[in-house]
Amino acid sequence: QKEVEQDPGPLSVPEGAIVSLNCTYSNSAFQYFMWYRQYSRKGPELLMYTYSSGNKEDGRFTAQVDKSSKYISLFIRDSQPSDSATYLCAMISYNNNDMRFGAGTRLTVKP
Amino acid sequence: DSGVTQTPKHLITATGQRVTLRCSPRSGDLSVYWYQQSLDQGLQFLIQYYNGEERAKGNILERFSAQQFPDLHSELNLSSLELGDSALYFCASSVAEGFELGETQYFGPGTRLLVL
Repeated sequence: QKEVEQDPGPLSVPEGAIVSLNCTYSNSAFQYFMWYRQYSRKGPELLMYTYSSGNKEDGRFTAQVDKSSKYISLFIRDSQPSDSATYLCAMISYNNNDMRFGAGTRLTVKP
Repeated sequence: DSGVTQTPKHLITATGQRVTLRCSPRSGDLSVYWYQQSLDQGLQFLIQYYNGEERAKGNILERFSAQQFPDLHSELNLSSLELGDSALYFCASSVAEGFELGETQYFGPGTRLLVL
């Protein structure tokens, strides 16, 4: 079993839909959680980060962490075609100074 | 453009060979991180240097090594290459000393390595 599980999709939604992306993890040492967006043939770029359980909003994006269930989510409201990309969850373990990524979910938002 | 440069963009080589990938961090960033992204393994953290010193090690094979030079550029050396080493290799840089929440890592465009 991988330490970080993420459904690779692909996920296709119509423009304006609410998108839900999820990751589960098994290692309780993960303390900090991030979401990256990666456009085709580009490097990942940081979208959001959080360390506490609960919700964090930034514009159309909401990151949610449930440490008790070892489950994190990214919600995208009013999705746009420009949101079409691969979204990777990432986690940092400070116990061993390591960073792990999910497999990435490929999202397509259709006009 | 993240400000991180990587050369070469593409590299084709044969099994058993050795290659060197180069990364120049953003101006002012002292940390360089190396990642490997492949279809089967996804994105994996390999190694991190801060101001010339190794600070963190991830899933880096013994056949791979890296260093950061006094001018802060970094090189990732891959030796005894195998077919499975074919992947996209990213370098990222940040001002942080290590993995610090809130300190953004800026990724370069990557080097695509194909081992035949």
